[in-house]
Amino acid sequence: DGGITQSPKYLFRKEGQNVTLSCEQNLNHDAMYWYRQDPGQGLRLIYYSQIVNDFQKGDIAEGYSVSREKKESFPLTVTSAQKNPTAFYLCASSLTFVGGRTQYFGPGTRLLVL
Amino acid sequence: GESVGLHLPTLSVQEGDNSIINCAYSNSASDYFIWYKQESGKGPQFIIDIRSNMDKRQGQRVTVLLNKTVKHLSLQIAATQPGDSAVYFCAEDYGQNFVFGPGTRLSVLP
Repeated sequence: DGGITQSPKYLFRKEGQNVTLSCEQNLNHDAMYWYRQDPGQGLRLIYYSQIVNDFQKGDIAEGYSVSREKKESFPLTVTSAQKNPTAFYLCASSLTFVGGRTQYFGPGTRLLVL
Repeated sequence: GESVGLHLPTLSVQEGDNSIINCAYSNSASDYFIWYKQESGKGPQFIIDIRSNMDKRQGQRVTVLLNKTVKHLSLQIAATQPGDSAVYFCAEDYGQNFVFGPGTRLSVLP
């Protein structure tokens, strides 16, 4: 059963705490992406990775960090520098990073601040 | 469940009627477009795509129309069902960037 999984479904962050969101795919896709979704807005790109061991900042990378040590995994860390982290976070993957690629999404993680 | 878009435009249709959801895209160089469906609290689900060398593409109960002259994309859903209730948004791809619209909430009335 191929697909993209994200965990946890809900995550609570305390003030000054770093938290890590998990994203795993078994689709053998090269490219992976992290988006943030806020009410009434389109998805905004946080970070993307074209291939393993490579990643690039997206439009709103400040306060976030990623790693891509394995093709299947692209974890996102929300650091204490991100002052407004409450949002729905979506991970996606695509076969390649070239044009005309379809992005497939995971189920999302909702991050809430205590 | 959680709402993914509290202030989105809403389209209300009667069950069994056809739905038309519109999207204006921003870049005339965009060459690939996708429609996604997102149910409350879930990740977006791919519905249908179209390339810029096409004007129309049909799937099962869905049709996407592309008008490059006015940079407009539409999604038509035939015989709308209660399970079609969701937020629908378009995405445009121009090379190394993917831009997502904010979406339209489709509400199916019994």
